[in-house]
Amino acid sequence: DAGVTQSPTHLIKTRGQQVTLRCSPKSGHDTVSWYQQALGQGPQFIFQYYEEEERQRGNFPDRFSGHQFPNYSSELNVNALLLGDSALYLCASSYGPSVQFFGPGTRLTVL
Amino acid sequence: GENVEQHPSTLSVQEGDSAVIKCTYSDSASNYFPWYKQELGKRPQLIIDIRSNVGEKKDQRIAVTLNKTAKHFSLHITETQPEDSAVYFCAELGDTGRRALTFGSGTRLQVQP
Repeated sequence: DAGVTQSPTHLIKTRGQQVTLRCSPKSGHDTVSWYQQALGQGPQFIFQYYEEEERQRGNFPDRFSGHQFPNYSSELNVNALLLGDSALYLCASSYGPSVQFFGPGTRLTVL
Repeated sequence: GENVEQHPSTLSVQEGDSAVIKCTYSDSASNYFPWYKQELGKRPQLIIDIRSNVGEKKDQRIAVTLNKTAKHFSLHITETQPEDSAVYFCAELGDTGRRALTFGSGTRLQVQP
C-alpha cells in the first residue's frame, strides 16, 4: 500500500515562470490538502480539495490554484513565481479533514 | 484567527532523559491535536494524536496530554534516544467547518548520546 507520493522531488524555476506540482494520495483517502513550508517554519495551509472541489483556502493569493481529479490525485499550480515562493510544498492526504499524512514534498527554488 | 504557540523552540537533553514540548491554542472549538516529527529533509510524520474527548494518550515512549480548560496540550517523550532528534510540530483542527491544520512553529529536539 503506497503512501502519499509527490512529484517532482526538486524544481528550479525563475521569477515570473509557472509551475505545476503533483500529488497522489494514500490508498483509501479522498481529501488532499496542500501546505507551504518555508525554511525553519511550520507548514502553512494553502488549500484543500475534496470531491474535486476546493473546500477551504488559506491566506494565499490567486496565483496559487489547484485541481483534484476523479482518482483523488491533485495538482498545485503557481503562476508568476516570486522569489518568496521558494519553499517545500507538502501534500497531505486524509479520509475526511482530520488525520492527515504527508508526502515527501517538492522543494521549489525560484531564482 | 486560529493560533498555536509552541515552546521551547529548541531543546537539548541527554540520552535516557525525558523531553516535554508544550503548545497552547486559541480556538475553543479545536478538537483534534496531532503531533508530527520531521527529520532533516524529510516529510512530517504523524507520531501521535489526541481528540478532545480524552485527556491523555500513550504509545510506548510517547504520550500526549490535553487540558481543554487551559487550552494547552503537551508531548512527552521518555527514555529519549539519539534517533528522537528531529523537529517536532504540534497542530490543531477545529470543529467549525475548518479543514486546515494550524501548526506551531516547531521545536528542535537534540538528544545527546
